[in-house]
Amino acid sequence: AQSVTQLDSQVPVFEEAPVELRCNYSSSVSVYLFWYVQYPNQGLQLLLKYLSGSTLVKGINGFEAEFNKSQTSFHLRKPSVHISDTAEYFCAVSARNDYKLSFGAGTTVTVRA
Amino acid sequence: NAGVTQTPKFQVLKTGQSMTLQCAQDMNHNSMYWYRQDPGMGLRLIYYSASEGTTDKGEVPNGYNVSRLNKREFSLRLESAAPSQTSVYFCAGGTSWNEQFFGPGTRLTVL
Repeated sequence: AQSVTQLDSQVPVFEEAPVELRCNYSSSVSVYLFWYVQYPNQGLQLLLKYLSGSTLVKGINGFEAEFNKSQTSFHLRKPSVHISDTAEYFCAVSARNDYKLSFGAGTTVTVRA
Repeated sequence: NAGVTQTPKFQVLKTGQSMTLQCAQDMNHNSMYWYRQDPGMGLRLIYYSASEGTTDKGEVPNGYNVSRLNKREFSLRLESAAPSQTSVYFCAGGTSWNEQFFGPGTRLTVL
């Protein structure tokens, strides 16, 4: 089975500052990796995904993530955040031969002016 | 395209009442999912359907049943609601590489 640990439950950050959200996963097989964002009172929206190939993945809204197989990590970064990036962010992992996603507990990002 | 739709958006039940949450997708996904979201616990899988005609238990199936009515529709039923089932419920459709597309959610309160 796969599992995900998001290392920070809350991340406060000032507008235009960079942010990094940390995600570690556990799996004995090859995986797909995802980051989702959830704005207040909404469903989850895909930010980016790693399926194969380049380990640096670019997503929507200026976010990017790097897959590190040796450290089993998939950290999310944005070089300059906006107020509108205030949301909850979820890392998720799936085995390549499975139908199920395993989610981390989430990281709440609060951007302040 | 509406994507994934869920009804109702909000519901209040009394303990012991039953209800069905409806989900439909127009994205031609073979797989569909029901999750519940509780504070600090992320999303937990209740049931999923890998394809039309099949359903399987997820991480927290107790107290729930599902029906994959056709390729588009996947419903979740609470036969006898309990306060522990107070939660936000999300339905999703998934691709073959497990990219999942979520509905807007149903906020359920059981008194």
